[in-house]
Amino acid sequence: EAAVTQSPRNKVAVTGGKVTLSCNQTNNHNNMYWYRQDTGHGLRLIHYSYGAGSTEKGDIPDGYKASRPSQENFSLILELATPSQTSVYFCASGGTGGGSAETLYFGSGTRLTVL
Amino acid sequence: GNSVTQMQGQVTLSEEEFLFINCTYSTTGYPTLFWYVQYPGEGPQLLLKVTTANNKGSSRGFEATYDKGTTSFHLQKASVQESDSAVYYCVRGTGGYKVVFGSGTRLLVSP
Repeated sequence: EAAVTQSPRNKVAVTGGKVTLSCNQTNNHNNMYWYRQDTGHGLRLIHYSYGAGSTEKGDIPDGYKASRPSQENFSLILELATPSQTSVYFCASGGTGGGSAETLYFGSGTRLTVL
Repeated sequence: GNSVTQMQGQVTLSEEEFLFINCTYSTTGYPTLFWYVQYPGEGPQLLLKVTTANNKGSSRGFEATYDKGTTSFHLQKASVQESDSAVYYCVRGTGGYKVVFGSGTRLLVSP
């Protein structure tokens, strides 16, 4: 069973502060993804990566950076957090090959509140 | 472009009733199609996956058929249980590294 672990589970940050959300997967998947989930918007893609050292912009990348230092780890960085970034964030991994036909495996989410 | 439409925001049923969740997808190519389910407090998880090679998928009593004629991928279950209460997402591949999620349909099943 694919395992994707996110930390922290909950985070409260102040406006203007720096926030780092971490994700680790133990399945040797090439592709990793960061989504945010908000009521009325479903899941929206922020950044993704197709291997160590790569990061690509998703559909809503503004205000976020990503880092993929290794096959296993993928971080989402908010350099200057704003209240509009209050949301639930999900990391996912999928695929040892390329392409969007692969099943995604999601972590349990990080609930971020920016005050 | 690549898009997925789920028109039903919420479906409310009683146990043992028939479930039908509507999904249509844009006609760009012949994408792999998925249904994901998300239970409270968890991330989404794969329910079933269908490609043009197999046309129909089933899992845990749920079924979905890939209909290229109507560009639909509706989810059905003959008899729902309270434990099926969750949010269901219709998802399509794009041919690249990304997938596209529908807006989700919340299913509430009362005992």
